[in-house]
Amino acid sequence: EDQVTQSPEALRLQEGESSSLNCSYTVSGLRGLFWYRQDPGKGPEFLFTLYSAGEEKEKERLKATLTKKESFLHITAPKPEDSATYLCAVQGNTNAGKSTFGDGTTLTVKP
Amino acid sequence: DTEVTQTPKHLVMGMTNKKSLKCEQHMGHRAMYWYKQKAKKPPELMFVYSYEKLSINESVPSRFSPECPNSSLLNLHLHALQPEDSALYLCASSQDPRYVSGYEQYFGPGTRLTVT
Repeated sequence: EDQVTQSPEALRLQEGESSSLNCSYTVSGLRGLFWYRQDPGKGPEFLFTLYSAGEEKEKERLKATLTKKESFLHITAPKPEDSATYLCAVQGNTNAGKSTFGDGTTLTVKP
Repeated sequence: DTEVTQTPKHLVMGMTNKKSLKCEQHMGHRAMYWYKQKAKKPPELMFVYSYEKLSINESVPSRFSPECPNSSLLNLHLHALQPEDSALYLCASSQDPRYVSGYEQYFGPGTRLTVT
């Protein structure tokens, strides 16, 4: 069974204080690892897909990286508008069409 | 355009009511999903339609009945719900489940359902 564990559960940063969120996973044949951002009361917003170890993707202040066991979402010089819950999900070979989500990391950035 | 729309935004219904949630996408995506999300929890998969056919049913109670009239529309029919069914119901779509790149999902804003 595919499993995703995200840490920390919650992270509070000062504006400009860079940090990383972790997503550890076990999956039978990784087809893709996904990062989403979710604001309170809204649907998740797709950020990145990573397919293989060593891959990196960037978008504004966010950079996602992938190893064979975990992914990191690095946030550089965050701003208050980056405050949200960040969800990690994996898609494996055995559950076609079903992504397994982690519980998320709630990020709060104080001005 | 990566927009998935959902109606209504909010719904309050009694346990004996019948109502429907609607979802629409015009991105040409061939997979559509229904999720249920409780507060401070990740989305929980309910159903997946692939090429307008039901491909995954996560043992959802029969009081939830999905329908995919065409490739752009997805409905969720609700009947005799329980108070514990109150949640945010999310619709999502993805390009083509036959390919790896087809699994990234685009979510709608959700319908906030309250069962009284």
